[in-house]
Amino acid sequence: SYELTQPPSVSVSPGQTASITCSGDKLRDKYVCWYQQKPGQSPVLVMYQDDKRPSGIPERFSGSNSGDTATLTISGTQAMDEADYYCQAWDSSTGVVFGGGTKLTVL
Amino acid sequence: EVQLVESGGGLVKPGGSLRLSCAASGFTFSNAWMSWVRQAPGKGLEWVGRIESKTDGGTADYAAPVKGRFTISRDDSKNTLYLQMNSLKTEDTAVYYCTRGIFAVVNDAFDIWGQGTMVTVSS
Repeated sequence: SYELTQPPSVSVSPGQTASITCSGDKLRDKYVCWYQQKPGQSPVLVMYQDDKRPSGIPERFSGSNSGDTATLTISGTQAMDEADYYCQAWDSSTGVVFGGGTKLTVL
Repeated sequence: EVQLVESGGGLVKPGGSLRLSCAASGFTFSNAWMSWVRQAPGKGLEWVGRIESKTDGGTADYAAPVKGRFTISRDDSKNTLYLQMNSLKTEDTAVYYCTRGIFAVVNDAFDIWGQGTMVTVSS
């Protein structure tokens, strides 16, 4: 079955750039999207089709997908960005696949 | 307002059954491809399955851990999505979310999420 691998945690200082990676075999051939989930809340889509931001998502969020790794980048990270982030893709054999999630700490 | 509201969660014994519902509003439900996603306590997101719109065939697909035990259906006249869960196992304990695919394609992203309903499988 297809798997997506994310680092369990990433730390960043306020105002700095946070990068969260998502790795999978030939991931560049798939569309990747990203979700933000804060404690006790439902996930929120923050990026789709690798690098497209839904309406209402701040411009400091950006995405890329190259080789076997997709990256969600948060520029000028704010305290409100502290959350769990999940990548997601689709595989013809497995179906919809989520990464294990990355806890972003802003400190 | 675009909204998904799940209901039907609760406590059930291993081997038992439960049916979840998801009421949609604020968008054309009949055109949407809908999915169920679950999250075990303290764990990550796990896709459960999806159902296409009837105009696109109405086919349902399932993740391997639930295939043969869970059934997704829809009633477009009621704008409601269902998840029938049979032969429940303790590992099915999770918050269950219903969600909408943006573009109604297989490699889709999910732009609308419900608040989730908790299912606990325990003796």
